[in-house]
Amino acid sequence: QTVVTQEPSFSVSPGGTVTLTCGLSSGSVSTVYYPSWYQQTPGQTPRTLIYSTNVRSSGVPDRFSGSILGDKAALTITGAQADDESDYYCVLYMGSGIRVFGGGTKLTVV
Amino acid sequence: EVQLVESGGGSVQPGGSLRLSCSASGFSFSSSTMHWVRQAPGKGLEYVSGISGNGGNTYYADSVKDRFTMSRDNSKKTLYLQMSSLRGDDTAVYHCVKHQYGDSVGSGFDYWGQGTLVTVSS
Repeated sequence: QTVVTQEPSFSVSPGGTVTLTCGLSSGSVSTVYYPSWYQQTPGQTPRTLIYSTNVRSSGVPDRFSGSILGDKAALTITGAQADDESDYYCVLYMGSGIRVFGGGTKLTVV
Repeated sequence: EVQLVESGGGSVQPGGSLRLSCSASGFSFSSSTMHWVRQAPGKGLEYVSGISGNGGNTYYADSVKDRFTMSRDNSKKTLYLQMSSLRGDDTAVYHCVKHQYGDSVGSGFDYWGQGTLVTVSS
């Protein structure tokens, strides 16, 4: 079974830029996987940031952006803020209605 | 206001069964693909299953295929997840999740219920 891979953890300085990635254990991620990104803070339900590779969900600030970088989907946060410290999950569409979550990236802003 | 309220969780022994329900309001339920997503304690999110707006298509993760059955009653605006042959690794909070745009493949998830806890233990 194909595994969706994410960095387990990442850190960024306040005001800095960080790029989180979402890959496949076998193969390359492209737009046909319709990558989406979610932010989850402890005790809360996830918030949709990006869908269909690079479309920001309503109300999401433009310092969050999605793209394809090389063979992975990417979420870039520019001007990181303290309240960006969260877990970030990507989801890939595998076809036939099936979606798979990545393992998540714990982002620390320090 | 979109609301998704899950119920039916609880403790069950390995090999047992449980049926979860999700009552939906505040949107056109019958037009929307819906999903179940679970999160084991201290772990990441895991996609469980999905169902098209008219209920004609269902989708399951390999980990639950042939054990879980997802269904919906559009007249009652309610989603169901029938779980059988439950195992310890099914222990998780189960969230009912609304698809962003109808049955569109390209959209993601938008609204999440608070979830219902299922604990599988002897």
